[in-house]
Amino acid sequence: GQQLNQSPQSMFIQEGEDVSMNCTSSSIFNTWLWYKQDPGEGPVLLIALYKAGELTSNGRLTAQFGITRKDSFLNISASIPSDVGIYFCAGQPSKSQGGSEKLVFGKGTKLTVNP
Amino acid sequence: GAVVSQHPSWVICKSGTSVKIECRSLDFQATTMFWYRQFPKQSLMLMATSNEGSKATYEQGVEKDKFLINHASLTLSTLTVTSAHPEDSSFYICSARWAGVQETQYFGPGTRLLVL
Repeated sequence: GQQLNQSPQSMFIQEGEDVSMNCTSSSIFNTWLWYKQDPGEGPVLLIALYKAGELTSNGRLTAQFGITRKDSFLNISASIPSDVGIYFCAGQPSKSQGGSEKLVFGKGTKLTVNP
Repeated sequence: GAVVSQHPSWVICKSGTSVKIECRSLDFQATTMFWYRQFPKQSLMLMATSNEGSKATYEQGVEKDKFLINHASLTLSTLTVTSAHPEDSSFYICSARWAGVQETQYFGPGTRLLVL
């Protein structure tokens, strides 16, 4: 089945630094979603992307839908301690490639921000 | 964003009992809801897709008689863990599909189940 490769697996940064993480796939996706999960809670939607090449911002977060439709990245600028958590990418595969309404998830990027 | 609630947020039960978890979409109608299970330090594992008014579709390896799913209305899906055992202890999360012009999924806050 489809899989998403999310990297890096973990990051340790200083407060104020910028962060970048990405997801890649061997197949085409119609939708890319980025979620953040805090311990003991459900994932919260950060950014949703629907068109190849689309670049969308949400405050200090920026995400892009790759033009090949097989990748996406998430950037966080000027990180703060509350950015700590696990970030998941999720994609909805193209129906032409056997996709359905089910999302495919990356394994997550654990972000630690040192004050 | 849209709001999805889950109840209860945590539950402790004895082995052999059944536990029901509710998932509600509070401000939109969801024809499709999803149930996930998450083990510590791992990603979400899809258990089943719940469609309003029809039987749920279970992922391979998920026992449908063990994890009963009912999607009685456009805003409510329930997951019942029947005859729970300690190995069923986990974090269960639901999501609701918002099928607007731009489709997405919103997640509930999760339910922590501990079976003693």
